[in-house]
Amino acid sequence: GDSVTQMEGPVTLSEEAFLTINCTYTATGYPSLFWYVQYPGEGLQLLLKATKADDKGSNKGFEATYRKETTSFHLEKGSVQVSDSAVYFCALFRSGNTGKLIFGQGTTLQVKP
Amino acid sequence: GAGVSQSPSNKVTEKGKDVELRCDPISGHTALYWYRQSLGQGLEFLIYFQGNSAPDKSGLPSDRFSAERTGGSVSTLTIQRTQQEDSAVYLCASSFQDNQPQHFGDGTRLSIL
Repeated sequence: GDSVTQMEGPVTLSEEAFLTINCTYTATGYPSLFWYVQYPGEGLQLLLKATKADDKGSNKGFEATYRKETTSFHLEKGSVQVSDSAVYFCALFRSGNTGKLIFGQGTTLQVKP
Repeated sequence: GAGVSQSPSNKVTEKGKDVELRCDPISGHTALYWYRQSLGQGLEFLIYFQGNSAPDKSGLPSDRFSAERTGGSVSTLTIQRTQQEDSAVYLCASSFQDNQPQHFGDGTRLSIL
């Protein structure tokens, strides 16, 4: 079945460091890929998305490129801030599969000043 | 309101009691989803509604769990004879159509004593 695997956390970085959170997936067909973020005490928010191979999603300085050849959708940011501390979830859905999201386990990011 | 609204935000109940969790989706969103977020299990899909119908109930963990949606809007998730393993955060999401990004509520934190 479909699945998403994320790097285990927690990830601890200093402010202005470069961030990469790895995400790989297994799915039939051509899924759409998402990154969601959950700030402390808040609900899930869509961070960015990509719907086809080689698409790059971007938002708030975060980027992720849909790589079909490596079945990956790694999240990157060039310079993290303390306010980026949160839990990040990679997710996929396949059209025709009712649109339900399949989530990775989540990666906790802590940014220290 | 502008977002997905869930109530109550927190619920503490005794083992064996029934609970009802409510979700008000974004106005005009035809697709509605319930997920569960628990330690060790991550984010799991429970059920999907398109309008008032539930074409995918595959994630409901047992027959103690049921859900309904009325008027193509409000949805209620009911858990009968609650068990301690039902303790989790229950998240509701809605989208304009089932192939559009999902918007999440802040969730209901359910604790079974």
